[in-house]
Amino acid sequence: QQQVKQSPQSLIVQKGGISIINCAYENTAFDYFPWYQQFPGKGPALLIAIRPDVSEKKEGRFTISFNKSAKQFSLHIMDSQPGDSATYFCAATGNQFYFGTGTSLTVIP
Amino acid sequence: NAGVTQTPKFQVLKTGQSMTLQCAQDMNHEYMSWYRQDPGMGLRLIHYSVGAGITDQGEVPNGYNVSRSTTEDFPLRLLSAAPSQTSVYFCASSYRGNTEAFFGQGTRLTVV
Repeated sequence: QQQVKQSPQSLIVQKGGISIINCAYENTAFDYFPWYQQFPGKGPALLIAIRPDVSEKKEGRFTISFNKSAKQFSLHIMDSQPGDSATYFCAATGNQFYFGTGTSLTVIP
Repeated sequence: NAGVTQTPKFQVLKTGQSMTLQCAQDMNHEYMSWYRQDPGMGLRLIHYSVGAGITDQGEVPNGYNVSRSTTEDFPLRLLSAAPSQTSVYFCASSYRGNTEAFFGQGTRLTVV
């Protein structure tokens, strides 16, 4: 059973637009929900993370929205830039990480 | 600080060969883990360790062994390589299992 489900698989956005990636999780014991960004040939790097005691966290152009009752969380990228083109992974963890299957984001100039 | 260092970066193995993927971290993290990344599958946990001398299985442990004799090192052993183990392997470390994980640059393994 997949612990974290991520959608969409791929996303194409115009420069300046908003990119939205969604994730849903199963286990209510998860207590840390990070988003990772990965460029080709590189390892994933933490972008932003949230704990379940808050509903939203914003860092620059990146925002996580968290809905504990629905067991869903999403990443919003405002004013998307070509440099944001990468693969994004959501994850959930209690004592081990479970990753979503990834979203390939392309921002068109 | 180097962070998480993985070696080698690339490797080609023949079916049945064995090898060890090396992982070292210099952040004094207790938690270390190995993942494989396959297209459309995301990152899947192979094995993890919560401290020296302690290891446990993840989602896809078959065909892999690990040991953790020191805090810094967490090698992954392929006992008898199979084509199904062709993948990109990432090592990661974190302070605990629910804190930021730092990833290495990955090892691209091809089994022919």
